[in-house]
Amino acid sequence: KAGVTQTPRYLIKTRGQQVTLSCSPISGHRSVSWYQQTPGQGLQFLFEYFSETQRNKGNFPGRFSGRQFSNSRSEMNVSTLELGDSALYLCASSPNLAGVGETQYFGPGTRLLVL
Amino acid sequence: GQQLNQSPQSMFIQEGEDVSMNCTSSSIFNTWLWYKQEPGEGPVLLIALYKAGELTSNGRLTAQFGITRKDSFLNISASIPSDVGIYFCAGPDNNDMRFGAGTRLTVKP
Repeated sequence: KAGVTQTPRYLIKTRGQQVTLSCSPISGHRSVSWYQQTPGQGLQFLFEYFSETQRNKGNFPGRFSGRQFSNSRSEMNVSTLELGDSALYLCASSPNLAGVGETQYFGPGTRLLVL
Repeated sequence: GQQLNQSPQSMFIQEGEDVSMNCTSSSIFNTWLWYKQEPGEGPVLLIALYKAGELTSNGRLTAQFGITRKDSFLNISASIPSDVGIYFCAGPDNNDMRFGAGTRLTVKP
């Protein structure tokens, strides 16, 4: 099976712009979770989508949003970018909801740099 | 939510040495996961533990699910340079996944 794929791998944006990141889960996996990883804060949970619905949300402002399509592919959007949004954004997929003990498999991440 | 305390924060070891790291939580976990992350890449799952007391191996890696269900250990035997990376523990908590801060491993040839 192909692993989790994320596009693009690298992105440079300027403050105030918006960005959309894409994630394709492992075939058959219905849950997609998004994480932000920074050196200072580590891995922080953004949100999880399952069956096209947001099931859980971390403690991030409303500028961070996402969606999931019927084929389980997911996108996350960050509007009005701030310098502090520079990070590695990771997507992880699992067969079912991550919170019930499912194993998550990560993609390679999208490294976003905000100038 | 529950916090995962992972230690040590970093380790500098000589090639061939054994490594041990652990993760503790303030409350019970039903699943423990161990990941390794290399620079510029996403975490890769190493070992998944689902039962208290479970001891599972993956090559030179061995992980244990603590009897109290509040801790887990990862051991790496006979380390090699490609073991370099950051090792994370993780577990599901109230419908999301919690991660430890990671143990950064450096292996000197």
